[in-house]
Parts: sequence; C-alpha cells; structure tokens
Amino acid sequence: GAGVSQSPRYKVTKRGQDVALRCDPISGHVSLYWYRQALGQGPEFLTYFNYEAQQDKSGLPNDRFSAERPEGSISTLTIQRTEQRDSAMYRCASSPGGRTGNTIYFGEGSWLTVV
Amino acid sequence: QKEVEQNSGPLSVPEGAIASLNCTYSDRGSQSFFWYRQYSGKSPELIMSIYSNGDKEDGRFTAQLNKASQYVSLLIRDSQPSDSATYLCALFRGGGAGSYQLTFGKGTKLSVIP
Repeated sequence: GAGVSQSPRYKVTKRGQDVALRCDPISGHVSLYWYRQALGQGPEFLTYFNYEAQQDKSGLPNDRFSAERPEGSISTLTIQRTEQRDSAMYRCASSPGGRTGNTIYFGEGSWLTVV
Repeated sequence: QKEVEQNSGPLSVPEGAIASLNCTYSDRGSQSFFWYRQYSGKSPELIMSIYSNGDKEDGRFTAQLNKASQYVSLLIRDSQPSDSATYLCALFRGGGAGSYQLTFGKGTKLSVIP
C-alpha cells in the first residue's frame, strides 16, 4: 500500500479483555516497529521485526504484550488481559531496512481505550 | 538522565522569525539523529536527518549536530503558522544483535503566531 495501515483506528475494550492490533507496512519494507505514545509524550519503542524475525522485544512492558509477523509482512500486536494503564496510541512503523539511516514511516495509529 | 531531552515548550515565535529547537542526548554511541514533526492528532513525519557533525540544510530547515556536546538542534527560518506542531528529536543507537531501536524525546511544541 501507499503507507503504513493500521486497524482498528479506535478500540474501546473492557478491562480484562484481549485486544489485537493489526499493522500492514509499506510494501517492500522489511523492518517493522511497534511504538506506544501517551498524550504529551514521544513514541516509546515496544518491539522490532526484521522480516518475520522479532529481533528486539526489549520495550514490551510485560508478558501480557506480544507481537508476531509470521510471513514478514502484516504484524499483530496482542495485549492480553488489558488494564486501564494500557490505554494509549499504538503506532506501527516500517522502514526499508538495513542501516541506511533507519528512516521509519509511521502509520496513523490505533487508539486503545481500556474501560 | 533521560536518553533524549527536549524542552516541552510551548515555544512561541512570531511569523517570519527563526524558531530554534534543541535536543540533548546521553548516549555517546548514538549514530544517527532525526527530527520528526507531529501535528495534533496525527502521526510523526520525518523532516530532517543528520549523521555527521555540522549543519545540514533543507529548504527552510537546518539541522545542527555537535557530537562532542551531545547536542542536536533544528532551526526553522521564516516560520509559518503551518509550522505549528510538536517537534520530536530522535536518535538511532544501533545496538547489538541486530537492534535498530529509534529513541524519541518528549517533543517540543512550537506555536507560530501570525
């Protein structure tokens, strides 16, 4: 596609429910990132994929958070047993890959509200 | 000390003036530096990248990098109301085991007054 596509754009869920957020990166981009952004803050790194390999998950807050990219394209971020503190904008980003400055392009984000 | 420090602002400048946005970082191993612009309710978009000490100019924007002082700045000449946004400083460290983590500051909110 022309840009990074995320769905759903808005999600309201009850505390304790599981949520899956989807990301479709720019066609041909091998690197995919998940970030979380709270109001008034910069994006906070969660995890990084190179093709289908999850090469860095050091930013995932706890074991309720997981991510996959099984075919090296679309990725899913799953939050199990959601808590109110999980409420935030979740942004996916992609880049062509390699070490060429690592310019990344963000999607419009998925706004999660846990009630 | 946070890895990337920015004054949250708001920074207000009159239309036509130069806006100066500053960022300091703690990790001397940082390799690449970026400025992203984020309009309210929108996603961050890349406006400048800089890798070497000195200045880099692109239109009305100039990025300045001083690795010895661990300082990177963005100058916006002839500021326009459409430049009003939050400006995010980001750096790429390049970690081991194939990590390509981009670390962001909190951002500086710029308001250009007509």
